[in-house]
Amino acid sequence: GQQVMQIPQYQHVQEGEDFTTYCNSSTTLSNIQWYKQRPGGHPVFLIQLVKSGEVKKQKRLTFQFGEAKKNSSLHITATQTTDVGTYFCAGADTGTASKLTFGTGTRLQVTL
Amino acid sequence: DAGITQSPRHKVTETGTPVTLRCHQTENHRYMYWYRQDPGHGLRLIHYSYGVKDTDKGEVSDGYSVSRSKTEDFLLTLESATSSQTSVYFCAITPGLAGGHEQFFGPGTRLTVL
Repeated sequence: GQQVMQIPQYQHVQEGEDFTTYCNSSTTLSNIQWYKQRPGGHPVFLIQLVKSGEVKKQKRLTFQFGEAKKNSSLHITATQTTDVGTYFCAGADTGTASKLTFGTGTRLQVTL
Repeated sequence: DAGITQSPRHKVTETGTPVTLRCHQTENHRYMYWYRQDPGHGLRLIHYSYGVKDTDKGEVSDGYSVSRSKTEDFLLTLESATSSQTSVYFCAITPGLAGGHEQFFGPGTRLTVL
């Protein structure tokens, strides 16, 4: 079945440093989504990417979808303590757009 | 949070007992999902539903059953709980607005099987 790998598993940065997490799928995706989960909380939807090579920005967050629609990345510029949490990518196989396979997540810790 | 509630929020039970978790939504969304979350595994899909009485298996469905007799309720049942089913269970819905497939999650149920 479809597998979605995410690296790194954990990253610790100082406030103001940049952060990037990478997501790779074993199959071509119809769309990829990103979620953030704060400690003790539930996953919260951030963004959905659909088109090959698509780039979207949300303030300090930049999301990319690869040309082959098999990989994606999330980059945070100048991290803040409010960015702490686990970031998950989730991919939908072609033909099953409403059924997601989640990556294992990247836990981000930010210290002053 | 998209009007999703889960009950109970916490439960401790013993091995071999049946357990039912409830997910309730207030906005008549068609798609509903049950996930489990374990350290090192992210979120794994157990079962999902695409309408009343229409359900399908996810990647970790063994030992679980679901029912959806009303649009607003999606029940997850562990027929005979095992310690390996100790986990945090999340329900989610997809509004499916404007072609989007984003999912909105409930607050979760922490289940401990002793």
